[in-house]
Amino acid sequence: GAVVSQHPSWVICKSGTSVKIECRSLDFQATTMFWYRQFPKQSLMLMATSNEGSKATYEQGVEKDKFLINHASLTLSTLTVTSAHPEDSSFYICSAREGAPANTGELFFGEGSRLTVL
Amino acid sequence: KQEVTQIPAALSVPEGENLVLNCSFTDSAIYNLQWFRQDPGKGLTSLLLIQSSQREQTSGRLNASLDKSSGRSTLYIAASQPGDSATYLCEWMDSSYKLIFGSGTRLLVRP
Repeated sequence: GAVVSQHPSWVICKSGTSVKIECRSLDFQATTMFWYRQFPKQSLMLMATSNEGSKATYEQGVEKDKFLINHASLTLSTLTVTSAHPEDSSFYICSAREGAPANTGELFFGEGSRLTVL
Repeated sequence: KQEVTQIPAALSVPEGENLVLNCSFTDSAIYNLQWFRQDPGKGLTSLLLIQSSQREQTSGRLNASLDKSSGRSTLYIAASQPGDSATYLCEWMDSSYKLIFGSGTRLLVRP
């Protein structure tokens, strides 16, 4: 199947710093990518839909100024956690599907990025 | 609010048993439903994708069915192995292209 790569796999940072997580589709073009966070033993919570060349669409309750999303190319979306605090510690996962935003094809996930804020 | 319910939440079985995991959703007008497995601390691996026009999909020891009228999907795992131990998640795309995930079933297959 298609490959989605996330980097870094894990990161530890001090409170108040910003952290950038990259999500790349390695062998297909993704007009749309999705960002999730996952707390221990819980399911994924969709944070935002990243649209290539336009602003991301954020889910209700997700602070757009806190979680900056940039989708500058058809193979790369980035999530920046700004001024991170311990409560932002979580597992962040991205996913992508090939083609148009309304494509109902298979969804592929990155390996996830574990963020720990001290 | 659209929801996905997965039953059971956790399951522990001896090796070799056949298993059925259930996923219920609230909107019959879905576009597709996908089953994933997630190993601890890892991302999600796609297992099976069922489009709304399909009734079931099979891959190896896995079979997933979709019944839109009753709002249910089942994942059948034949002859379970310890390597099948993971959390299994179902996800569906509703009529507004929104992705909705279930809370998962944590499976442990004992040697």
